[in-house]
Amino acid sequence: GDSVTQMEGPVTLSEEAFLTINCTYTATGYPSLFWYVQYPGEGLQLLLKATKADDKGSNKGFEATYRKETTSFHLEKGSVQVSDSAVYFCALSDRGNRDDKIIFGKGTRLHILP
Amino acid sequence: GAVVSQHPSRVICKSGTSVKIECRSLDFQATTMFWYRQFPKKSLMLMATSNEGSKATYEQGVEKDKFLINHASLTLSTLTVTSAHPEDSSFYICSARVGGDSPLHFGNGTRLTVT
Repeated sequence: GDSVTQMEGPVTLSEEAFLTINCTYTATGYPSLFWYVQYPGEGLQLLLKATKADDKGSNKGFEATYRKETTSFHLEKGSVQVSDSAVYFCALSDRGNRDDKIIFGKGTRLHILP
Repeated sequence: GAVVSQHPSRVICKSGTSVKIECRSLDFQATTMFWYRQFPKKSLMLMATSNEGSKATYEQGVEKDKFLINHASLTLSTLTVTSAHPEDSSFYICSARVGGDSPLHFGNGTRLTVT
């Protein structure tokens, strides 16, 4: 079945460091890919998305590129801030499925130190 | 932007009682809503998918008689935890989408504590 694998956390970085959170997927169809963020005590929010190969999603300084050849959607940010501390979830929605529920990875907790 | 309101945000109940959690789409019609459970330091576990006007589809291992889901209108879905036990204590989150590949819009979650 479809699945999402993302790097385990927690990831701890200093402010202004470069961030990469790896995400790979398996899917029977041609999925849309998402990154969601969950700030402490809050629900999930969509951070960015990409719907086809080579698309780059971007938001709030974060970027991720849909790489069909490597089935990856790694999240990157050039200079993280303390306010970026949160849990990040990679997810996919497989258009090929009749039941188009979204499948989440296990989440990666990010701690940014001032 | 689309807003999903989830209520209550926190609830404490005694073992054996039932608790109802509401999920409302405030400015859009949601043909599909999803209910998740989140364990500490774990990912979201999809519990069930509900479509307006039809029975919910439960994921394997989720007791449908314990977690009652009703999606009576295009803007409201409810999750009722029946005969709650301490092991049901968790963070429950709903989400809604109009359909297709549209992004999910999440509620802020409900922290349920069963004493």
